[in-house]
Amino acid sequence: ETVLTQSPGTLSLSPGERATLSCRASQSVRSSYLAWYQQKPGQAPRLLIYGASSRATGIPDRFSGSGSGTDFTLTISRLEPEDFAVYYCQQYGSSPRTFGQGTKVEV
Amino acid sequence: QVQLVESGGGLVKPGGSLILSCAASGFTFSDYYMRWIRQAPGKGLEWVSDISSNGDTKYYADSVKGRFTISRDNAKNSLYLQMNSLRPEDTAVYYCARDRFFVIYWGQGTLVTVSS
Repeated sequence: ETVLTQSPGTLSLSPGERATLSCRASQSVRSSYLAWYQQKPGQAPRLLIYGASSRATGIPDRFSGSGSGTDFTLTISRLEPEDFAVYYCQQYGSSPRTFGQGTKVEV
Repeated sequence: QVQLVESGGGLVKPGGSLILSCAASGFTFSDYYMRWIRQAPGKGLEWVSDISSNGDTKYYADSVKGRFTISRDNAKNSLYLQMNSLRPEDTAVYYCARDRFFVIYWGQGTLVTVSS
């Protein structure tokens, strides 16, 4: 099983600042099959990024993903008030599909 | 538009059973892998089970293998999760989700609480 470790656990930032979230895999993720999700309280997660760097439909371009192998990054270039949430990475290059434990971006 | 609506959650005693259902609409259900993903209160996401579009192939997380059974009825556009021998650690919101790899479409979730 591929274990995903996200860091930091919590990121305290202000609107307008840049957020950099890390996701590290215990083994190489095949073909960069890595996705990022955003989840707000009481809501289902929302897909942001797939294939490590492709934005999902309707996702603003302030969200970007990068990385390959075992190290992946989600960057939010300028935080908007609605971006304060929990972010999860997920690999789908091998079974079982696994999620990271999440990074909370807070004000 | 794509809609996934879960039902069947509730309070059950340890060792008990529950069946979750997911009604799908807005897409050709029989064309898609489906899955259940859960989230314990205040915790992260955990993949539970997958089923192929025709129901022939099923995968389970080790934590539920032998206790949970995923199934589908393509004629009724419905996905199911039969949960037996429930444990307190199975307490979570259970999401129905579409797609085999990453998830674009999620249901709103149904809460399962296992407690005496």
